[in-house]
Amino acid sequence: EPEVTQTPSHQVTQMGQEVILRCVPISNHLYFYWYRQILGQKVEFLVSFYNNEISEKSEIFDDQFSVERPDGSNFTLKIRSTKLEDSAMYFCASSNQESSYEQYFGPGTRLTVT
Amino acid sequence: DQQVKQNSPSLSVQEGRISILNCDYTNSMFDYFLWYKKYPAEGPTFLISISSIKDKNEDGRFTVFLNKSAKHLSLHIVPSQPGDSAVYFCAASHITGNQFYFGTGTSLTVIP
Repeated sequence: EPEVTQTPSHQVTQMGQEVILRCVPISNHLYFYWYRQILGQKVEFLVSFYNNEISEKSEIFDDQFSVERPDGSNFTLKIRSTKLEDSAMYFCASSNQESSYEQYFGPGTRLTVT
Repeated sequence: DQQVKQNSPSLSVQEGRISILNCDYTNSMFDYFLWYKKYPAEGPTFLISISSIKDKNEDGRFTVFLNKSAKHLSLHIVPSQPGDSAVYFCAASHITGNQFYFGTGTSLTVIP
């Protein structure tokens, strides 16, 4: 069964450093998403991406964040200058429909900023 | 802003009994609702959904009920099985939107 994969599973970085979180969505999916979950809190939407551009983003997704689909398979989330409060699980998701129905999530990347 | 709320952080149920997980929302513009299940170290997995034109949707042991006037939905699992033990997230969106709004989750433990 096709699945969304994410690398690395755990990333530790120092405050102020740049990180890139990688995702490989399901191959025939066209819509891509990033979410995050701070420990003990709810899953929060960050951004959605379609046709090589951002289609929707939340207030969390400020200028420190960017997304890219550098090739036909990868979808990346870059945090330019990490802050302690960026520590969270970051989930990538993909879907083959425009509506938010049935997004398939990856296993997540745990980002720890020290 | 807590647009989607799950007020019970945890629930324990005996195997074979019914599990009822509840979710409330505040935004009347939400018209699509989903339940996700999440095991430790995994991403959320889609379980079942319901649109606002319905008040019930059933899939095997899982049934979701929607009460639009009360802005409340619930997930019923019957009979509950130990493998159902996980965190369950309620999520809501606009049917034409991309953004999910998640609740904080309810940790379900099914006791054998």
